Amino acid sequence: DIVMTQSPESLAVSPGERATINCKSSQSVLWITDNRNYLAWYQQKPGQAPKLLISWASTRESGVPDRFSGSGSGTDFTLTISSLQPEDMAVYYCQQYYSTVTFGGGTKVEI
Amino acid sequence: QLPVQESDSRLVKPSETLSLTCTVSGGPISSPSYYWGWIRQPPGRGLEWLGGVEDSGSPFYNPSLRSRLTMSIDTSRNQLSLKLNSVSAADTAFYFCARLLPTGSGARGYFDLWGRGTLVTVSS
Repeated sequence: DIVMTQSPESLAVSPGERATINCKSSQSVLWITDNRNYLAWYQQKPGQAPKLLISWASTRESGVPDRFSGSGSGTDFTLTISSLQPEDMAVYYCQQYYSTVTFGGGTKVEI
Repeated sequence: QLPVQESDSRLVKPSETLSLTCTVSGGPISSPSYYWGWIRQPPGRGLEWLGGVEDSGSPFYNPSLRSRLTMSIDTSRNQLSLKLNSVSAADTAFYFCARLLPTGSGARGYFDLWGRGTLVTVSS
């Protein structure tokens, strides 16, 4: 199984500041034949289901604010919230789909 | 009404079988464009993928739980079902039903539509 490790476990950010969340996979999730990274990011607010933010490591879903961006390739990925808003307080998860499905342990973003 | 709705929360006794359903509205549950899956989350903890069902009806499972899981689709009712046998306290969790967009062969993909989840508590 591919193990996904997120860091930090939690971070406190003031409104308007940048938040950076890291995700590392135990093996590459870059598919050579199509040159795509099989990685997604989700946001989960308290009492709610996860919401898909980004697929293919950097493709933002429709309706997701452009302050959210994904980057990285191979084994190292980053979710950046460029200017944190109060409504962004949530737990964020990465998920690989290169080999079945595994999730990272989550990063809690507090305001 | 949400387009994806899990059955109500329930209490299950240890060693018994947990049964859940997920009802999909607003479109057919079976489509070549997507599969369906189950993910669980123990209270206060992270997400664990359980498995799912392809549009053909073929199930796929997390290898760590394969021996205890049965998943299927009922196209006449537009429902996805999950059965987990021999439950223990470790199976206490919120169980989510979600639509999986497949990205290749096998059970690979990401989840673009989720139900609200339902709490299953295992206790005597």
